[in-house]
Amino acid sequence: QLQLQESGPGLVKPSETLSLTCTVSGGSISSSNYYWGWIRQSPGKGLEWIGTIYYTGSTFYNPSLKSRLTISIDTSKNQFSLNLNSVTAADTAIYYCARDGYHDYWGQGTLVTVSS
Amino acid sequence: QSVLTQPPSVSAAPGQRVTISCSGSSSNIGNNFVSWYQQLPGTAPKLLIYENNKRPSGIRDRFSGSKSGTSATLGITGLQTGDEADYYCATKDSSLSGVWVFGGGTKVTVL
Repeated sequence: QLQLQESGPGLVKPSETLSLTCTVSGGSISSSNYYWGWIRQSPGKGLEWIGTIYYTGSTFYNPSLKSRLTISIDTSKNQFSLNLNSVTAADTAIYYCARDGYHDYWGQGTLVTVSS
Repeated sequence: QSVLTQPPSVSAAPGQRVTISCSGSSSNIGNNFVSWYQQLPGTAPKLLIYENNKRPSGIRDRFSGSKSGTSATLGITGLQTGDEADYYCATKDSSLSGVWVFGGGTKVTVL
């Protein structure tokens, strides 16, 4: 059974960089046909797609976040990562990693608060 | 404002049927498959429907999906208290090169 687990700091200061890692177990992140993505949910709000990456490193980003966003992948560790710089309070959210395509597998989510 | 439009809430009594609409445009729903997700309180979203009307293994046939033109619909029959959750539609947007867009979500309340 494929499992995804987010990890990273729960508190980030304004203007700094938010960094999260998603560790995939129960399957290879290098499997063809699947992208791996990040989705976030601000408190009490709906879902916002952040971006996605293929095992080759090919990426697609939400245009609204593109200038601040980097998603990378480490196939040797079966992990992919999110870096969002120059964060503000508006970036406070639960961040989920998921297998893209249909988002059929999700991590449990991790709350990241942007505050000084 | 979400790219896909859903009603904020729907409600019905146990055993009844509810439908949730998801309205988009030709650049998203009109030319791409639609997925639906259920999010129970405090949990991650769960895939209910993919490719407009297909159910993943383990999803009961009480849940159904359909698409017509630039709109999609999720139906839930035999409503149960355990179905109280937020439901989201999603699809790709062809005008945004591989970007996924979500609806704003619909809260289902079992009366």
